[in-house]
Amino acid sequence: GAVVSQHPSRVICKSGTSVKIECRSLDFQATTMFWYRQFPKQSLMLMATSNEGSKATYEQGVEKDKFLINHASLTLSTLTVTSAHPEDSSFYICSAPTGTRLTDTQYFGPGTRLTVL
Amino acid sequence: QQPVQSPQAVILREGEDAVINCSSSKALYSVHWYRQKHGEAPVFLMILLKGGEQMRHEKISASFNEKKQQSSLYLTASQLSYSGTYFCGTGGTSYGKLTFGQGTILTVHP
Repeated sequence: GAVVSQHPSRVICKSGTSVKIECRSLDFQATTMFWYRQFPKQSLMLMATSNEGSKATYEQGVEKDKFLINHASLTLSTLTVTSAHPEDSSFYICSAPTGTRLTDTQYFGPGTRLTVL
Repeated sequence: QQPVQSPQAVILREGEDAVINCSSSKALYSVHWYRQKHGEAPVFLMILLKGGEQMRHEKISASFNEKKQQSSLYLTASQLSYSGTYFCGTGGTSYGKLTFGQGTILTVHP
């Protein structure tokens, strides 16, 4: 299957600092990528849709000023958690569909575990 | 709205079978099944697109009943490697957006 990478895999930061997470599609181009957050033993919750060349679309309840998304190219989307707090600690996962059809498979990156002290 | 998965957890012995169900209150256009191991990202298993369609991935198969707005995942002759949390993701008309169920924890013992 298609490969999606994320960097870093783990990050520990102090409260109040900002953290950037990268998501790359390695062997295909993705005009759209998705960012999910998963708390322990819970489901994946969609945070936002990242669109190449345009603004991201955020799900209800997700603060767009806190979670900045930039889709700089057809293979890279970044999520920046600004002024992180302990409650932002979570597993952040990106995904990318392999094509533009409604039915194309989505592949997930390996995830980034964020711990805010 | 989040689809509902049942059961929440199931414990099997190697070689036994299991069924995981995924139901939605909204019309479904597609159902995507994933397996996630602890601390890892979800791994794609299969996608179902049409009512009545059945797919297969090794000894795991799935069906999609469009009228009932539900899908079932069938695990046959389970192996130790099947252990993990299974999620169904339901797709609507918004391109690529999936809403995931709460997950079903499957544990296979020797």
